[in-house]
Amino acid sequence: DGGITQSPKYLFRKEGQNVTLSCEQNLNHDAMYWYRQDPGQGLRLIYYSQIVNDFQKGDIAEGYSVSREKKESFPLTVTSAQKNPTAFYLCASSTGTGIRAFFGQGTRLTVV
Amino acid sequence: LAKTTQPISMDSYEGQEVNITCSHNNIATNDYITWYQQFPSQGPRFIIQGYKTKVTNEVASLFIPADRKSSTLSLPRVSLSDTAVYYCLVGGYNDMRFGAGTRLTVKP
Repeated sequence: DGGITQSPKYLFRKEGQNVTLSCEQNLNHDAMYWYRQDPGQGLRLIYYSQIVNDFQKGDIAEGYSVSREKKESFPLTVTSAQKNPTAFYLCASSTGTGIRAFFGQGTRLTVV
Repeated sequence: LAKTTQPISMDSYEGQEVNITCSHNNIATNDYITWYQQFPSQGPRFIIQGYKTKVTNEVASLFIPADRKSSTLSLPRVSLSDTAVYYCLVGGYNDMRFGAGTRLTVKP
């Protein structure tokens, strides 16, 4: 089946540790995105990538880093510099036509 | 920042038609209008996309006036399972920014 996969679904980390969230797609999409969603809020764009080896900051990139070494993969690292990392993280991918995107099921990160 | 304005919330009853309007005064010539649905603890799901006039699929219709400064998502005969947040996006694939969305609550 074609789709976009995020792992793990739940993640617990101690404060001060870096953590990497996985996002893989087999849809052959060029563009990929990372979002953060807090309870009762909309999605906020962290980073996006339109092509391999290139990515751009979104609206809340501070404390996060990404890489795009392969078309299929767009991992997100939540660093210790992110002051409030506990949130629901969503990854998406899209073609170059309009903005029809496909989302993963999300990773819920809890930092204790 | 998102370029759209939607109502924060709406209530409806089962079996009614629901219309959610989105304002996008600064829409560009090559921008598409896309609507997504999100249930709690899930990723958003594509509902419908259009450029002008009217688009219909098996779950919804999208009405876009000639000036394209607004659009209306129409959900026919809603059920309890349509309770969700609905997002309107305007732009291209390099502008995937979501607003706060419209929280639709369908009551029995």
